[in-house]
Amino acid sequence: EVQLVESGGGLVQPGGSLRLSCAASGFTFSSYEMNWVRQAPGKGLEWVSYISRRGSTLYYADSVKGRFTISRDNAKNSLYLQMNTLRADDTAVYYCARDPGGRSFDYWGQGTLVTVSS
Amino acid sequence: QSVLTQPPSVSAAPGQKVTISCSGSNSNIGNNYVSWYQQLPETAPKLLIYDNNKRPSGIPDRFSGSKSGTSATLGITGLQTGDEAEYYCGTWDNSLSAVVFGGGTKLTVL
Repeated sequence: EVQLVESGGGLVQPGGSLRLSCAASGFTFSSYEMNWVRQAPGKGLEWVSYISRRGSTLYYADSVKGRFTISRDNAKNSLYLQMNTLRADDTAVYYCARDPGGRSFDYWGQGTLVTVSS
Repeated sequence: QSVLTQPPSVSAAPGQKVTISCSGSNSNIGNNYVSWYQQLPETAPKLLIYDNNKRPSGIPDRFSGSKSGTSATLGITGLQTGDEAEYYCGTWDNSLSAVVFGGGTKLTVL
């Protein structure tokens, strides 16, 4: 069974940093592209970042470019999102999502809540 | 303001059919595959349609997708109360080098 489990969310002050993790199981992690998608409270889906199978190709939404860094460790079946210089409008549930290619997301984690507030 | 445009809400009676539109441009829908997602309250999104009109295993054939030019449509037949959810379209945008989503459509089954 495919499982994606996010962790690392929490309350952080504006300007602070947080690192999210996504533990994958039930499939060959290294064979899939991965993404982070977020959803602010009461709002729609917003794509955050993409990473290719080997981590050689990265894409970011303009809203996080220069502040967030996506990475992966295929040996540990894990995806990461390093978030720096956090702002109030980064407050959201962050989902990791599996991408079989073509930017469709066939499996999603349960999400982890990040709250940026003083 | 989302890059892809969806109606904020649609409604229909149980057993009826509903369609949800998703409008974009040549930089996104016009030249890329479209996906559709269902998000039930307080849950993660679920893939309903990929590559414009393909259904993942386990998705009933009541759900269908189509694309024409720079617009895509999700169709749901035989509506059930359990279909009440938010629906999102998504695709890649070549100009932005980013995945873009529609703003979401809330389906109410009256």
